Amino acid sequence: AQSVTQLDSHVSVSEGTPVLLRCNYSSSYSPSLFWYVQHPNKGLQLLLKYTSAATLVKGINGFEAEFKKSETSFHLTKPSAHMSDAAEYFCVVMSGTYKYIFGTGTRLKVLA
Amino acid sequence: DAGVIQSPRHEVTEMGQEVTLRCKPISGHDYLFWYRQTMMRGLELLIYFNNNVPIDDSGMPEDRFSAKMPNASFSTLKIQPSEPRDSAVYFCASSLVLGTNYEQYFGPGTRLTVT
Repeated sequence: AQSVTQLDSHVSVSEGTPVLLRCNYSSSYSPSLFWYVQHPNKGLQLLLKYTSAATLVKGINGFEAEFKKSETSFHLTKPSAHMSDAAEYFCVVMSGTYKYIFGTGTRLKVLA
Repeated sequence: DAGVIQSPRHEVTEMGQEVTLRCKPISGHDYLFWYRQTMMRGLELLIYFNNNVPIDDSGMPEDRFSAKMPNASFSTLKIQPSEPRDSAVYFCASSLVLGTNYEQYFGPGTRLTVT
């Protein structure tokens, strides 16, 4: 069975410093992985996806993630945080039947 | 592209009343998903459709919940009778499965409050 674990429920960074949001996955086969962002009172927006092509995936708004099979990780990074990045971020693994399995979310706070 | 459209955006109702949530998927998409988001349980998949046919409703919590997709451009999620524990944000999402493209696009959600 597939699952994802987001290792931090809250992360605080200062504006202009790097962001690291951690996600580990469990899958019995090569997974499809996604990161979504949810701003307050909004729907979920796709940041990026991994579907067994390049292991380093670039997304929108300067975010990227690296798929590491040996570590079963798919951490989300951004070189420099902006105030507008404050939101909740969800790591998702997709099952073979196109069902999403969500992590519990990481709330990112950006300090001025 | 209008994206996934949900209505109403907010619904406040009294316990025991019927509630109907509506969703219009992105045109041409062949999968439609209904989710519920709460603080306690996070994001849960309730049911999903492929080409208007329900494929998996194992996430529907009780018989009080039902969902339909009468055509490719419309779906409803109905709760009858509603209970306070149904209070949550309900999201609809759609996707077009084509090759390695199968990401889901989410609507803005319906915030349901049952008093």
